[in-house]
Amino acid sequence: RKEVEQDPGPFNVPEGATVAFNCTYSNSASQSFFWYRQDCRKEPKLLMSVYSSGNEDGRFTAQLNRASQYISLLIRDSKLSDSATYLCVFSTSGTYKYIFGTGTRLKVLA
Amino acid sequence: SQTIHQWPATLVQPVGSPLSLECTVEGTSNPNLYWYRQAAGRGLQLLFYSVGIGQISSEVPQNLSASRPQDRQFILSSKKLLLSDSGFYLCAWSVRGAAHYGYTFGSGTRLTVV
Repeated sequence: RKEVEQDPGPFNVPEGATVAFNCTYSNSASQSFFWYRQDCRKEPKLLMSVYSSGNEDGRFTAQLNRASQYISLLIRDSKLSDSATYLCVFSTSGTYKYIFGTGTRLKVLA
Repeated sequence: SQTIHQWPATLVQPVGSPLSLECTVEGTSNPNLYWYRQAAGRGLQLLFYSVGIGQISSEVPQNLSASRPQDRQFILSSKKLLLSDSGFYLCAWSVRGAAHYGYTFGSGTRLTVV
């Protein structure tokens, strides 16, 4: 099983739609979780951390399910500017390394 | 505030030529530093990370090397580039001992080996 798996997409959604991505991880010792956003030919940027109790930042909601070992990202009221690749990232206690998923591509259509 | 600088932004180099990419961080001390590579249409591959001056850990055997001559400076090098070294190279830093803060990336260097 891969360390982290994401559906590569693309997810093509109309403006205003709600879209959700999942990301599964195999290492149960993983402790820190994040969602990053990467625009075409740009560096990844931190979108939000993912906390055990779930967290929200405006139109974005992130959740962690430790029992099933996945994190999710929900985007409400999608905007054209949300079009990007979304990377899930996690790190394991005692290491300095962050593991990146290959990303899920989102296209928001007018 | 902390900033990370990476240069050059783009580079076209012939096969067999040397390479030196530099990354510096400002506004923090004792950062963890990382070099990643992203091949076209693929995920990020960790190449090297460093937890202190002169301390380099290599993740994959390759044609590249890294050095950390100063606390906030990280250099990626090659003596002879291969075609397969083409890609998007990203430097990143994180707060030492605080994995929950995540990474901050530099703006990247797009390397094309011809």
